[in-house]
Amino acid sequence: DQQVKQNSPSLSVQEGRISILNCDYTNSMFDYFLWYKKYPAEGPTFLISISSIKDKNEDGRFTVFLNKSAKHLSLHIVPSQPGDSAVYFCAASPLRGNTPLVFGKGTRLSVIA
Amino acid sequence: DGGITQSPKYLFRKEGQNVTLSCEQNLNHDAMYWYRQDPGQGLRLIYYSQIVNDFQKGDIAEGYSVSREKKESFPLTVTSAQKNPTAFYLCASSISAVSYEQYFGPGTRLTVT
Repeated sequence: DQQVKQNSPSLSVQEGRISILNCDYTNSMFDYFLWYKKYPAEGPTFLISISSIKDKNEDGRFTVFLNKSAKHLSLHIVPSQPGDSAVYFCAASPLRGNTPLVFGKGTRLSVIA
Repeated sequence: DGGITQSPKYLFRKEGQNVTLSCEQNLNHDAMYWYRQDPGQGLRLIYYSQIVNDFQKGDIAEGYSVSREKKESFPLTVTSAQKNPTAFYLCASSISAVSYEQYFGPGTRLTVT
């Protein structure tokens, strides 16, 4: 049973426009959420995170929104740049209790110049 | 430079042979993880270790084995019992088992023919 779902396998966006990547989760025990970015043949790199006590976290062009009642989070990238083209993974962590992150299957973002 | 190294980048083996993938970190992290990435499958947890001389099975441990004799090292052996060993393997570490953020190595692409 998938606890973290990224229902869009791929997304194409024009350069300069907003990219919105979505993530849903089913486990109400998750209290911390992270986004990772991955280029082909490389390891994922941490992008941005949010705690369940907040509903928004911003870092430059990247903003993550959390809707706890809907068990939904989204990553907004604005403006989108060609270098943002990568696979984005949503990850969630249960309450602190030494359990590894749970990852979604990823969304491939293509930013078209 | 602190980080996680995985070697080699590409590895080729014949079917029926065991193969060991290397993962070393100099971040002084307690916890280490092995993931497998297949197209459309996201990151699936194979094994993780929260402390030296201790490790737990992840979601897809069958056909794999690990050891954690040193804090810096967490090698993964892909045995001949693994039905579909060809994949991209990622090693990660975190400060502790209750730390949310994981840092990833560059990955090893294993091809078994």
